[in-house]
Amino acid sequence: AQSVTQPDIHITVSEGASLELRCNYSYGATPYLFWYVQSPGQGLQLLLKYFSGDTLVQGIKGFEAEFKRSQSSFNLRKPSVHWSDAAEYFCAVGAGTGNQFYFGTGTSLTVIP
Amino acid sequence: DTEVTQTPKHLVMGMTNKKSLKCEQHMGHRAMYWYKQKAKKPPELMFVYSYEKLSINESVPSRFSPECPNSSLLNLHLHALQPEDSALYLCASSHLAGGPGQETQYFGPGTRLLVL
Repeated sequence: AQSVTQPDIHITVSEGASLELRCNYSYGATPYLFWYVQSPGQGLQLLLKYFSGDTLVQGIKGFEAEFKRSQSSFNLRKPSVHWSDAAEYFCAVGAGTGNQFYFGTGTSLTVIP
Repeated sequence: DTEVTQTPKHLVMGMTNKKSLKCEQHMGHRAMYWYKQKAKKPPELMFVYSYEKLSINESVPSRFSPECPNSSLLNLHLHALQPEDSALYLCASSHLAGGPGQETQYFGPGTRLLVL
């Protein structure tokens, strides 16, 4: 069965520090992987996605993610965090019939000055 | 343009009311979705429409009734809701050209629903 795990419920980083959010997936075939960000009370905004090809994908707002098949991981990174990056981050895998998404439980990011 | 719009932004309703949520997209997407999201939780899939036909219903109570009048519009009709139905209701849309899971879903800003 498909599943997505985000081990870190909450992360706090200082502004300007680097960031890595972890995502592990379980899926039998080639996964289609996504990272979304959600600011309080807002919808989900797509940060980046991986379908195939280069395992390091670039997204919006200076984010990147690396797909590692051997580790079943798709971790999100940013070299220097800005206060405006404080939000909830969701990893998702697209799979199954009807184009269903399976979301991780999310990681809440706090940025301190 | 990757915009999905939702109205209203906020909705307060009593348990005996009937109301509707509206979602619209003009990206030519042929799949549309309703999700329910509680605070600090991931979105939970409720319904999927593919080519204006209901393709997935995740065992949602009948007090929620979806409707897809055309390829750009998706409604969610609400009737006799319970306080526990209070949540953020998100609409999303995607293409259907690829295989399972291949298509990016684009989300609207959501409707914040409070049931009293």
